[in-house]
Formats: sequence, structure tokens, C-alpha cells
Amino acid sequence: DTEVTQTPKHLVMGMTNKKSLKCEQHMGHRAMYWYKQKAKKPPELMFVYSYEKLSINESVPSRFSPECPNSSLLNLHLHALQPEDSALYLCASSATPGPVQPQHFGDGTRLSIL
Amino acid sequence: KNEVEQSPQNLTAQEGEFITINCSYSVGISALHWLQQHPGGGIVSLFMLSSGKKKHGRLIATINIQEKHSSLHITASHPRDSAVYICAVRGATNKLIFGTGTLLAVQP
Repeated sequence: DTEVTQTPKHLVMGMTNKKSLKCEQHMGHRAMYWYKQKAKKPPELMFVYSYEKLSINESVPSRFSPECPNSSLLNLHLHALQPEDSALYLCASSATPGPVQPQHFGDGTRLSIL
Repeated sequence: KNEVEQSPQNLTAQEGEFITINCSYSVGISALHWLQQHPGGGIVSLFMLSSGKKKHGRLIATINIQEKHSSLHITASHPRDSAVYICAVRGATNKLIFGTGTLLAVQP
């Protein structure tokens, strides 16, 4: 069982919908990450939160809006997505933002845009 | 050229075989990760290492910092080992740089 929980596991939405992806961890980790992974490709970093503050935004389109309401929870709000945004969205966390901390990954949310 | 290269890209083995997956990188790193991803599933962190060798069950990971190279070995491979194995490195920033992965299929 993963210690990073992502919901929902699957999401199908239209291009005009608004939905949110949720990620939760109770390990006391203070860094959390969103990745996007297309089929047969490695994950691509989207956002990094360090101590509940956005520290890295990898030039992600504004139709993706991250939110970190507390140290255990990370959301990704979706609006007006495009078909090419269909992918597996992975959340990860690490104890601190430091480069030698291992990242713990969730099982991902598989997103399909109609 | 990618900063992290893995070989082979695809690997098919018979159950029981000894398997080696290689990773070479071209940047300075603080740590290297080996990750496992089953089809359609999340990612499991297998190892994080910055020097030497680590062992966990049938898995062994080694790293040579001078040569900028790491290997993941699986002894007595089993069909449940079938997955994508990803090498990723951490540099001075808080970003993981991922290799393109090795798709392993272990046949019974």
C-alpha cells in the first residue's frame, strides 16, 4: 500500500469541465510534487511545493492550478483542459525539499479528456 | 542527448535469469534513484544511493560516481518483476531528472 494517496484513480472529463485531483500524505513530509506522465514516457515535473509554498512551476499552462491547503494535502485544479492533457498524473512527497531525500509516489490519477 | 540514459530500453528474460539494467548520466548529482512502475500503476522507489552498493531482497543497486554510472541487478528473476524500471538523478536543484526507462518482461 502506498503512503501517498491519490483520488480519484480515474477521471474522465470534458474540455469545459472543472475538476480537481487530490493527493494526501500523513508522513509529515514538507515537500510535495505533481508530475505528468504520458504513455511510455518518463514523468515530467509540473509543480513543487516546499513548506506549503509553491517553489517550482515548470511553465505549466494556467489551466492547471495547484493548491496546498496544508502540509498533508495537495490539490491540482483542472479547468478547460485539452485532449493532449490526457495522461497519468502522479503526486509525490519527500520529508524535506532537499536533493537527497527520497520521493514517495502515489498510484496516480489517470485522466482522460474527451 | 538525454542527461540520463538507460540501457537496454527493452529486456525480455526467462524466469530465474540474472538481470542487469544500466544507467549513465552526464550531470553532477547528489543522489540517484531506481524506481519501478508497473503497467498503469504508480511508482515505487526501490533505491536511493549516492555511493557504493545497496541490496534489498533480490535487488542490488550499485553506483560509480567517477564513471557516472549505475546498475540495477535482479537475481533469480520472476514474472512479477515485469515492470518499467526508471533511473532518476537529483542534482543541486530539487528536481528529479528521469531516464527513459527499461521495460522488463520476465517470462515463466
